[in-house]
Amino acid sequence: DQQVKQNSPSLSVQEGRISILNCDYTNSMFDYFLWYKKYPAEGPTFLISISSIKDKNEDGRFTVFLNKSAKHLSLHIVPSQPGDSAVYFCAASVAGGTSYGKLTFGQGTILTVHP
Amino acid sequence: DGGITQSPKYLFRKEGQNVTLSCEQNLNHDAMYWYRQDPGQGLRLIYYSQIVNDFQKGDIAEGYSVSREKKESFPLTVTSAQKNPTAFYLCASQPSTGSYGYTFGSGTRLTVV
Repeated sequence: DQQVKQNSPSLSVQEGRISILNCDYTNSMFDYFLWYKKYPAEGPTFLISISSIKDKNEDGRFTVFLNKSAKHLSLHIVPSQPGDSAVYFCAASVAGGTSYGKLTFGQGTILTVHP
Repeated sequence: DGGITQSPKYLFRKEGQNVTLSCEQNLNHDAMYWYRQDPGQGLRLIYYSQIVNDFQKGDIAEGYSVSREKKESFPLTVTSAQKNPTAFYLCASQPSTGSYGYTFGSGTRLTVV
């Protein structure tokens, strides 16, 4: 039961253009969402997050949008740079109960930004 | 510098052997997690611990065991019962169960030979 899904295994964009990475979830109890970036043979690093009480959060070139009714979030990178090439993981968390704080991850999307 | 350290970076195991992956953190974080990464399957939770001397099974705990005798340490043993252990293993820690962000280690690549 894949509660967090990233349906695009890979995405290729040109340097300077926008990258849009998508994530869907099925558990309506999720109330906090995060994006992590991962380079090969390294651990993921935190990129940006959003609470379910918001629909947008922005940090420099990175913006995350949340559509709760559609159970969908997206990460926008503008402008894209070659150094952004990595695997991006979407993650979600439930408040309260024994799952409090535990993250559920999507499958990841490989982003390649061409010079 | 505070951080989370996984060792070794690369590990080779013969079939039928148990191996232990080390995870140490000096961030004073309460919760620690073990994930496994396989191509196309993202990060899957093996075990987690929210407090010393207590741990819970994750989604794919079969063939694995853990201990949490100290706050700083959360070793993972891959037993011979794990049928497909070749993967990239990631350890993470979290300040408290009230916080959402993880700090990850740099991972251990385990290969069965």
